[in-house]
Amino acid sequence: AQSVTQLGSHVSVSEGALVLLRCNYSSSVPPYLFWYVQYPNQGLQLLLKYTTGATLVKGINGFEAEFKKSETSFHLTKPSAHMSDAAEYFCAVSPSSGGYQKVTFGTGTKLQVIP
Amino acid sequence: GAGVSQSPSNKVTEKGKDVELRCDPISGHTALYWYRQSLGQGLEFLIYFQGNSAPDKSGLPSDRFSAERTGGSVSTLTIQRTQQEDSAVYLCASSSRQGTDTQYFGPGTRLTVL
Repeated sequence: AQSVTQLGSHVSVSEGALVLLRCNYSSSVPPYLFWYVQYPNQGLQLLLKYTTGATLVKGINGFEAEFKKSETSFHLTKPSAHMSDAAEYFCAVSPSSGGYQKVTFGTGTKLQVIP
Repeated sequence: GAGVSQSPSNKVTEKGKDVELRCDPISGHTALYWYRQSLGQGLEFLIYFQGNSAPDKSGLPSDRFSAERTGGSVSTLTIQRTQQEDSAVYLCASSSRQGTDTQYFGPGTRLTVL
């Protein structure tokens, strides 16, 4: 079984400030972890993903996330928010083993960037 | 086109009517997913197709919902006797395999049941 918890359905930051979106997961096997972004009236697109290897993963648009097994976390960060980062962000998990690898999504965090 | 396409983009229907939503995945992608996105509810998994395997229908909320995938490509999600609570955005995604592979999402179909 697997699940994802995103803390904070809405997050507001000032332009230029640090962005931190929290994601905790549970998985009975080592996980694969993803962050997706959804801009208004669009589908989701992949920001970054962790499968194996380096635990700090860099994605598009200056975002990065760090897989911390001991904390079962995969928080998304960006050093300096830009107005164009305003969107909804989804964390997702899938099992790395087993015959069927369904992806489970969190409920999403809406990021507001204040000028 | 290069991406996942969905049609129609918007659908308004009356309670009790049947609707069909279409998804054209990326060519060559064997995995196809349907999700429902309701306001404030995140993404709700509905159904998953992988190649010729039996689909995972575990997310379908009721027997009014069904989906098929013809020829391993185009998929249709059918909702019979629509209810107001079916109003949502229905998203389709495809990937080349499963699990580790990136899901590519379509723009969604916004369904409104009056």
